[in-house]
Amino acid sequence: AQSVTQPDIHITVSEGASLELRCNYSYGATPYLFWYVQSPGQGLQLLLKYFSGDTLVQGIKGFEAEFKRSQSSFNLRKPSVHWSDAAEYFCAVGASGGSYIPTFGRGTSLIVHP
Amino acid sequence: DARVTQTPRDKVTEMGQEVTMRCQPILGHNTVFWYRQTMMQGLELLAYFRNRAPLDDSGMPKDRFSAEMPDATLATLKIQPSEPRDSAVYFCASGLVRRLGILGYTFGSGTRLTVV
Repeated sequence: AQSVTQPDIHITVSEGASLELRCNYSYGATPYLFWYVQSPGQGLQLLLKYFSGDTLVQGIKGFEAEFKRSQSSFNLRKPSVHWSDAAEYFCAVGASGGSYIPTFGRGTSLIVHP
Repeated sequence: DARVTQTPRDKVTEMGQEVTMRCQPILGHNTVFWYRQTMMQGLELLAYFRNRAPLDDSGMPKDRFSAEMPDATLATLKIQPSEPRDSAVYFCASGLVRRLGILGYTFGSGTRLTVV
């Protein structure tokens, strides 16, 4: 069965600083990988996804993520964080065998200091 | 932008009462999920439909929960009887799954259920 680990429960950065949120997955075949963001009281919004091809994926709001098969990782990055980026970030892995059911990590809460 | 619509947004009910949550998936999407989010468990998959047929509801307590798609524009999640431990935010998500893959899933804003 697939699984996702987000090792950091909370991350605190200063506005303008760079950001990297870690995600490690477990899946036997080539996975589908997603990053979602959730603002308080809101649903999950898709930031970016990886299915195949270029391992560096560009998303919305200036985010990018890199798929590294050798490390089973799909880390999310942003070069300069804005205060509005403060939210909960979820990494998810989807089975590629036809069901495509996404399994979510526990999330990383991003705190942005002015 | 097309969106997944969930109703009600908030629901407070007494233990033992029936609760029905509704979801209108995006037109043309063939896959619908129900997830439950709690602080303790995170996001848990409850049920999964493809072309309105239930494919996986193993995450759902069968004795009190039921999920249906009476038509392509409506998915429902029902709890009867409700218990305080069912208090959570329930999300519906829809997506278009094709033979060669998926484009991603769109989530609704959720139904916050409080059972007292």
